[in-house]
Amino acid sequence: AQSVAQPEDQVNVAEGNPLTVKCTYSVSGNPYLFWYVQYPNRGLQFLLKYITGDNLVKGSYGFEAEFNKSQTSFHLKKPSALVSDSALYFCAVRDGEAGTALIFGKGTTLSVSS
Amino acid sequence: NAGVTQTPKFRILKIGQSMTLQCTQDMNHNYMYWYRQDPGMGLKLIYYSVGAGITDKGEVPNGYNVSRSTTEDFPLRLELAAPSQTSVYFCASNRGEVEQFFGPGTRLTVL
Repeated sequence: AQSVAQPEDQVNVAEGNPLTVKCTYSVSGNPYLFWYVQYPNRGLQFLLKYITGDNLVKGSYGFEAEFNKSQTSFHLKKPSALVSDSALYFCAVRDGEAGTALIFGKGTTLSVSS
Repeated sequence: NAGVTQTPKFRILKIGQSMTLQCTQDMNHNYMYWYRQDPGMGLKLIYYSVGAGITDKGEVPNGYNVSRSTTEDFPLRLELAAPSQTSVYFCASNRGEVEQFFGPGTRLTVL
C-alpha cells in the first residue's frame, strides 16, 4: 500500500536561513508526489508536484523539492525562510487504489522566527 | 472562477442529527473528493467521484454517504452524527493527473 511519512512534527528556523521539511514515501510503481501548505483556518494550497523528469522541482513562493528515488524521499526546501512561510505543510502521494486521490502525511508545522 | 466552494463553514450538531455538507466547483473538473482532517493525522479520504453518477469509497467511509448527480456538485451526507465525526471536512477537485484544488473547509462539531 502507498504511504507517506513526515518524520518531524515541527521545524523551527530563523528568518533568512534555509529550511527543509522532510518527506519519505512508499509506493509500488512510479510515484506522483505533491506538497501542499495550509495556513490557519484555510484550505490546502498546492505548492509543487513531481510526476516525472528533473529531480529538482520548483514551485510556488520560492519553494522547491528534490526527488530522490534511491532514498524514496521528496524533501521540501527553500533557500531563505520568511516569517510568512510559517504554516502547516503536507506531503502527499497519489493513491493508486482510489483513482487519483491523495494519501497525505501527518503534516509538519513550520515556524519561522524573526 | 470561484474555484471550490463549501457550505456551511461551521456547524454544531447533536448526536443522532443528520446534515449535508455542500461542495460545488466551477472548473468543470471530473474528479471530486471528500477528506476529513483530524489534528496530527493529516487528511483521510472519505469518498471520491470520477464523474457524474460514479462514486466510490475511500479510506474512512463509515457513517457518510455521497451522490454526484452533476459535474459541479458533490454533497456529503451524515445520517446519524456521532462525536467521532467531529472534524474539519475538505472538498477537492481536479482533472485527474494534476494537482487538486481544495475548498476552504467545513468545521463540524458533534456534541
